[in-house]
Amino acid sequence: DTGVSQDPRHKITKRGQNVTFRCDPISEHNRLYWYRQTLGQGPEFLTYFQNEAQLEKSRLLSDRFSAERPKGSFSTLEIQRTEQGDSAMYLCASSLGRPGMRSPLHFGNGTRLTVT
Amino acid sequence: DAKTTQPTSMDCAEGRAANLPCNHSTISGNEYVYWYRQIHSQGPQYIIHGLKNNETNEMASLIITEDRKSSTLILPHATLRDTAVYYCIVRGIYDYKLSFGAGTTVTVRA
Repeated sequence: DTGVSQDPRHKITKRGQNVTFRCDPISEHNRLYWYRQTLGQGPEFLTYFQNEAQLEKSRLLSDRFSAERPKGSFSTLEIQRTEQGDSAMYLCASSLGRPGMRSPLHFGNGTRLTVT
Repeated sequence: DAKTTQPTSMDCAEGRAANLPCNHSTISGNEYVYWYRQIHSQGPQYIIHGLKNNETNEMASLIITEDRKSSTLILPHATLRDTAVYYCIVRGIYDYKLSFGAGTTVTVRA
């Protein structure tokens, strides 16, 4: 079990640029989540995949944000035309979902985005 | 619409038990209590969860009151590496995601 892996760990970009983050979940996990965390706050839910299907998007996920999980394995989160308010830690989590069972989410160590 | 209430911060002495309280007075019958912690610059780490019975694992013990309106996470022998933000989360059986509050900042002091 190598855990949830996120890449890169840190990203500094200029306002207006596009950025993409990658998440590799625990291999047998069929559910994948993206969260955002700003300083001093708890993580906030952004979106959720079951296999390759994106089943929920938070209102926090503006039109500039898009997430994909094309083969039901790794996922990418893209932010277009970044703004300074996008500066945050972006966390990915995965879990093994079965009918009637809610297993714990396992988180990666996040990608810290700084928009200058 | 916070489902849990936790103290903002608390200090613990190294080597002593740390007892972290959480109130969840509106919890319903099919909602579980989950605990996570987040060490600085890392992602949240799962600790333990329970429905109504007390639970214990290698990291901690979870004590849930009989009326389920509150719970206590116990770290039996706190170490400096237990310094973190601890989150108490109520999660329904039909909830696939977790909703985090602000948590309790726990500082273990030598």
